[in-house]
This record gives sequence, structure tokens and C-alpha cells, in this order.
Amino acid sequence: DAGITQSPRHKVTETGTPVTLRCHQTENHRYMYWYRQDPGHGLRLIHYSYGVKDTDKGEVSDGYSVSRSKTEDFLLTLESATSSQTSVYFCAIRGREGVGLADNEQFFGPGTRLTVL
Amino acid sequence: GQNIDQPTEMTATEGAIVQINCTYQTSGFNGLFWYQQHAGEAPTFLSYNVLDGLEEKGRFSSFLSRSKGYSYLLLKELQMKDSASYLCAPTNDYKLSFGAGTTVTVRA
Repeated sequence: DAGITQSPRHKVTETGTPVTLRCHQTENHRYMYWYRQDPGHGLRLIHYSYGVKDTDKGEVSDGYSVSRSKTEDFLLTLESATSSQTSVYFCAIRGREGVGLADNEQFFGPGTRLTVL
Repeated sequence: GQNIDQPTEMTATEGAIVQINCTYQTSGFNGLFWYQQHAGEAPTFLSYNVLDGLEEKGRFSSFLSRSKGYSYLLLKELQMKDSASYLCAPTNDYKLSFGAGTTVTVRA
């Protein structure tokens, strides 16, 4: 789907290096989210944004920071990657125009598989 | 805090019916989503319940009891393509909380 993209789709990095993941949306949605997904834990919220420069922490925010300088982009940064941050990262937007979806529905990007060695 | 329980795995035969139960205890509640997630892919929307009762959508139905903190997803006439994980997700307006997911395997 062209409405929400993530980059990179795959990344392998070393412990201690900084990593930035990008989420890009084309439909002007106010709310954007970053999740991580690990076996046995389901999707866990890292950070979310409710507007440009407006962000808040989720349940697993330690070791992560985010920025949203414009509506379409939401960046997730691992300042110093650790092996425990090896995971699949999903970005999501709230709602989706023109498809008759529930107001609170979140639509997910394709995901980024991050491996920290 | 959030507490969401659903079975880890279920197996059923093609053409059969499977019911995935979800119990939840959350701080604030507006409704409950069910998502489907195939291996290696993103979750996709299946259903959304706000009021108590059954919502039917083709082969999939979802039920909600707000007073009991309980929901189920019913998959009828199972097909091989229904093999996936099913995620229960209560919402408090703009945030979703996800269960660990139920992996359904459909066998021929």
C-alpha cells in the first residue's frame, strides 16, 4: 500500500551504533505510532505522535527517541543499539481516509526487521 | 495497566469453525479490534466492536461483552489462507493495547 512506507525494510547493525528508522505517510494523518513485535509479546508501543513536534512515550520507550518535524514523517532513533533491540518494528497511522474505517483503527506499515549483533 | 489474554495456538481442519477468546483488563476502554497477521507481514484490520453483541462480516464474526471484559473472534468455513496470527486489541480512543496473539493453523 502506498499510504504508509517504512525505511529501511531490513537492517543489520552492531551494538553501540546509532540507528534511525523512518516512517512516511502520504495521507496527512495526525496520529502516528511506533511498535516493536517480538515472539511471545505481541505488539508493544514504543512512542507515538499526535502532531508535529508532539510526541509521547509508550510502554517500552527506554533506549528509543522519536522526532516528528513534519506531518508525513515520524522517525525512530536508537541512540546506541543493543542486542535486546533486535526486533521487527512497525509504524502505524490512526484512521485511513476514504475506506470507511473505524475512527480509532490503526493501519500498519510493512515493518522493518532490525538485527543488532 | 493492561492485561490481555488469548490462547497461544489453535489448530483446526479446513471447513471447520474456530473460536478465539480474548479477555482483557485495561485502564479506559472504547472498543476492541481484531487484527489478522500472516507470517512476515503487517497486521491487517478484521473487525471492531464498540457495543455489546455480535458483529458479522462474511466468514468472520466478533463478539464483545464490555461488562465481562470478554471478546471472541469466530472464523467459519476455515480455509488454508486463514492460517495466521489473530491479535486482540482493546482501545482507549487513540491507543491500542495488543495481546500476544493466537496462531491458528488450518490443516487439510
